[in-house]
Amino acid sequence: KAGVTQTPRYLIKTRGQQVTLSCSPISGHRSVSWYQQTPGQGLQFLFEYFSETQRNKGNFPGRFSGRQFSNSRSEMNVSTLELGDSALYLCASSLGTSGAPTDTQYFGPGTRLTVL
Amino acid sequence: GDSVTQMEGPVTLSEEAFLTINCTYTATGYPSLFWYVQYPGEGLQLLLKATKADDKGSNKGFEATYRKETTSFHLEKGSVQVSDSAVYFCALSDLGGNTPLVFGKGTRLSVIA
Repeated sequence: KAGVTQTPRYLIKTRGQQVTLSCSPISGHRSVSWYQQTPGQGLQFLFEYFSETQRNKGNFPGRFSGRQFSNSRSEMNVSTLELGDSALYLCASSLGTSGAPTDTQYFGPGTRLTVL
Repeated sequence: GDSVTQMEGPVTLSEEAFLTINCTYTATGYPSLFWYVQYPGEGLQLLLKATKADDKGSNKGFEATYRKETTSFHLEKGSVQVSDSAVYFCALSDLGGNTPLVFGKGTRLSVIA
């Protein structure tokens, strides 16, 4: 079974621009979560989508948004980029069964975003 | 809120040495516990998990036991290899495995031949 895929793998943008990152989950997985990884803050949860609806949201400004399509693929968008948005953005997919302790998130390789 | 504390790195070991990476947690509910590993330039890979007290997760020679009484989930391996060099993250998921993961800060392991 194919794993989680993320595109693009690398992006370079300048301040003020916007960016869209894409994530394709493992086949059959309906939940997609996004995380930001930086050297200073570590791994932080951005948001989770399940059946095209945002189910959980982390503590990030409104410049960070996402959506999920009917095939469970997800995109996240960052508008008005700031230097501090430079990070590795990781997507994870899971079955999404609410409250199931055995459910597990599987991660993609990430998109490395550099903001100049 | 929920939190995970793991030992600061970096940890440098010789090949075939014994590895322990300590991890303790604070959670409001009954969390599932995970260890993920990140190799250079890659995303996170699930290494092992445990979903209830006294469960032992194991994979590739690594083991960790869910200790509810000490709120710990320490990672161990009896004999490390150079290929184990990576960053290891302890994480918890409260209220079920698909809820947001809360990560520790990661421990970088370097194994030298």
